[in-house]
Order: sequence, then C-alpha cells, then structure tokens
Amino acid sequence: EADIYQTPRYLVIGTGKKITLECSQTMGHDKMYWYQQDPGMELHLIHYSYGVNSTEKGDLSSESTVSRIRTEHFPLTLESARPSHTSQYLCASSEPRGKETQYFGPGTRLLVL
Amino acid sequence: GESVGLHLPTLSVQEGDNSIINCAYSNSASDYFIWYKQESGKGPQFIIDIRSNMDKRQGQRVTVLLNKTVKHLSLQIAATQPGDSAVYFCAEGSGNTPLVFGKGTRLSVIA
Repeated sequence: EADIYQTPRYLVIGTGKKITLECSQTMGHDKMYWYQQDPGMELHLIHYSYGVNSTEKGDLSSESTVSRIRTEHFPLTLESARPSHTSQYLCASSEPRGKETQYFGPGTRLLVL
Repeated sequence: GESVGLHLPTLSVQEGDNSIINCAYSNSASDYFIWYKQESGKGPQFIIDIRSNMDKRQGQRVTVLLNKTVKHLSLQIAATQPGDSAVYFCAEGSGNTPLVFGKGTRLSVIA
C-alpha cells in the first residue's frame, strides 16, 4: 500500500475562487504527478515533477499551476475556478530510478458551481 | 504521438470465469508495461507489471502476456470474483518519461 495522501477528498466551490489541492507522500519519491480524470474515463497528465524546484506541464493543457518546494509535497492550485474544472484530480508518485511504477492517492473530486 | 489504447471499453463476465482484458500499444521502444485497477471512488492501484524482455508474468490470479510482434498486452484474471469489478488501465513506460495510460476497460462481474 502506497503512502500518498490527498486533501480535500471532496470540494464544492463557486466560480472564481482560488483553490489548492494538497498532495503529500511519505515514501521519499522524487517523482510526482497530477492527473485529471472524469469518472470512468482516461487519465490525463497535467503536471509532473522530477524533484524539488522541478515542474513540467503534461499532455493536457491546464490552467492550474504546481510547486515543488519539498520532496514530499506537490500542491496544485487553480487561481480562478470555473465549471469546466469540475473533475477528479489524482496525485501520484514514483521511485527515482528504473520503472516508473506510479502509486496513486485517493483523488480529490472537485465540483465548481 | 505515441498512444496506448484498449480494444474494448466494457467487458462482462460470469463470476468464476476467466477474464481477458486487452491493450494495444504503439511505442515499440517501451521498456515496461503496467496494469492498474481502479475501483469506483479510488485512485488506480498497481496490479502487475512486465518488462519488455519478457513475454509472460504471473501474479496471484493474474497473468500478463506481452506480444511485442503485434504490440499487444493482455491481462488475464483467473476465477473472476465480484471484487474484480473495476476499470482496468494499461500503461507503458520508457526511459525517464511519464507513463502513458490507455483509455481503460470496465470489467463487470455477473454473480
């Protein structure tokens, strides 16, 4: 079982609000990822990081931003939430070398009204 | 660009039967492949992986088969149980780049 945590698990918020989704892992993994997933649909990589002070954009264009100040923490921020941001956001981490087996958190379900 | 896709979006099987979930991949340079299981309301969970230099790997009730000639990957679940109902994703990895996930197959087990 992977030790990766996401908060909040559920969030309902109004349009225009700034939100930060938290992700933490206690495995010492250098690599961390954020995915956006609509229920039962495919995973879309939106951001990833291969270490402290390293962040990259993923395949899916996103209006969110991320930061990586500490190895264990990889928060995702939406400066101004919109209904189109309604989705599930999954955080994952993987070991620094060899296979990139990713371990996922439980996800944050976001609803923007 | 490269992509990983699944042949079938849904699969229904009788409890106790064997399930086979298929995946086609297009990056012949992929080093390894991973199967994930995602239950409703949860994040994907690692099931089993296989390196590109292997053609078969077995776990507990699961077997992954890799056919590099036709770039095909499959997950076999023996004696399927209701708890196996979930969406299954294949993913391929290469070098130091993020995994590429397939679209997912929903497995429904009929009691």
